[in-house]
Amino acid sequence: DTGVSQDPRHKITKRGQNVTFRCDPISEHNRLYWYRQTLGQGPEFLTYFQNEAQLEKSRLLSDRFSAERPKGSFSTLEIQRTEQGDSAMYLCASSPQQSYNSPLHFGNGTRLTVT
Amino acid sequence: AQTVTQSQPEMSVQEAETVTLSCTYDTSESDYYLFWYKQPPSRQMILVIRQEAYKQQNATENRFSVNFQKAAKSFSLKISDSQLGDAAMYFCAYRSGGQNFVFGPGTRLSVLP
Repeated sequence: DTGVSQDPRHKITKRGQNVTFRCDPISEHNRLYWYRQTLGQGPEFLTYFQNEAQLEKSRLLSDRFSAERPKGSFSTLEIQRTEQGDSAMYLCASSPQQSYNSPLHFGNGTRLTVT
Repeated sequence: AQTVTQSQPEMSVQEAETVTLSCTYDTSESDYYLFWYKQPPSRQMILVIRQEAYKQQNATENRFSVNFQKAAKSFSLKISDSQLGDAAMYFCAYRSGGQNFVFGPGTRLSVLP
C-alpha cells in the first residue's frame, strides 16, 4: 500500500491558463474521487469514478472542469481558462468497492494558486 | 440533499484532558455511514473513526469514541487523554449507499500544553 499520490503538490498559474493534475490511487481501489477544499472549509465533492466510468459529477462543477480515468487506474483533472476563484486545494481520494463503509484514502492534494 | 453541520469552528483542550466535537447531519435515509477525519496542518486527511447507522453500539478506537444518536441525527467525537499530536482540523462526513461522501465545514482543535 503506497498510498494515494498526487502531482504536482503545488501549481501557480496565471488566469486564463489551463492546468492538469494527476492522481494515482491505491492500486487495488476501483473508486476514485476528486474534491476541492478552500481554506478553512471542508472538502467539496467534484466527481467520482468507478473503474473508468465517471459515475457522478457535481452540479457545481463548471464546464471548464473535466476529469478522466482512461484505464481505470490513474486519473487527471483539467481546469481550462482558470479563474482566481479556482484557487484551492484539490484532493484526490480512493476507496475499495467492497463495502459502503469503506473509508476514503486521501492524497496530499494539489494546491492551485491562480494569479 | 444531505448536509453535515459542525457548529464549533474552533475548540481547544488542555493536554491529557477530554474534548468533544459536535456534528449533526440531515438525511431522510435510514441506512448510512458516518466518519470522522483528521487533517493535521499541511498533511493529508486520515480516518479517525467510522460508524454504521444500523449499529446501536458506539464505535471506539483507542482514545477516540463517538456518541451516535440516530434519532437526533447527532454524531459527536470524544477524544480522551488529548495529546499534542491531536491538534488538527476534524471533519465529520456522511455517506449513504453508493453516493459520494459529504463533509462538514470542520472544527479546528488546538491542544494546549
